Amino acid sequence: DTEVTQTPKHLVMGMTNKKSLKCEQHMGHRAMYWYKQKAKKPPELMFVYSYEKLSINESVPSRFSPECPNSSLLNLHLHALQPEDSALYLCASSQSQRNEKLFFGSGTQLSVL
Amino acid sequence: DAKTTQPPSMDCAEGRAANLPCNHSTISGNEYVYWYRQIHSQGPQYIIHGLKNNETNEMASLIITEDRKSSTLILPHATLRDTAVYYCIVKETNAGKSTFGDGTTLTVKP
Repeated sequence: DTEVTQTPKHLVMGMTNKKSLKCEQHMGHRAMYWYKQKAKKPPELMFVYSYEKLSINESVPSRFSPECPNSSLLNLHLHALQPEDSALYLCASSQSQRNEKLFFGSGTQLSVL
Repeated sequence: DAKTTQPPSMDCAEGRAANLPCNHSTISGNEYVYWYRQIHSQGPQYIIHGLKNNETNEMASLIITEDRKSSTLILPHATLRDTAVYYCIVKETNAGKSTFGDGTTLTVKP
């Protein structure tokens, strides 16, 4: 199994809602990542988890809250988002943070109204 | 991480080789060159990586110049399904993060 599975594929939420994005991998990878991608732009790194601990936070606003409950799962909790947060949110994993061969999911297309 | 420069777009005829260049003139000795591609509406897909030797796998070949200041990704027989945005990234193994540049949009035409 070389897949990274993200749910939901599409999400529409209001600015006062709380929602969560989920990511799962069963490759035994110990590093997991969240990227944000606006239309026609490259992916931008948001967070890196290594061995279930937050390793990198790229100065992401606190309305985005990551969580890594175990080595296979990565969540991104969303609260009080702004319309400009509408984007494709991509999850990725790699064997370790030292290994850059990333495996990406197909992403969650988020629209904030 | 070193900055990369890629042409914004390229065309290639189906069945011909696609040669995608990348400049990384500030690359340091412990930084690898990685290539990914992103087909519309999908997540990026790893293609290949290398340090200083040329590399080949089932998807592509990577040619790195001797001074390591530039590299070329070669898709030997491009198909319509190779139409995608191709990203060149340079990354130190221990850095733990990589920065995607703007990439090259490759369009393979029949």
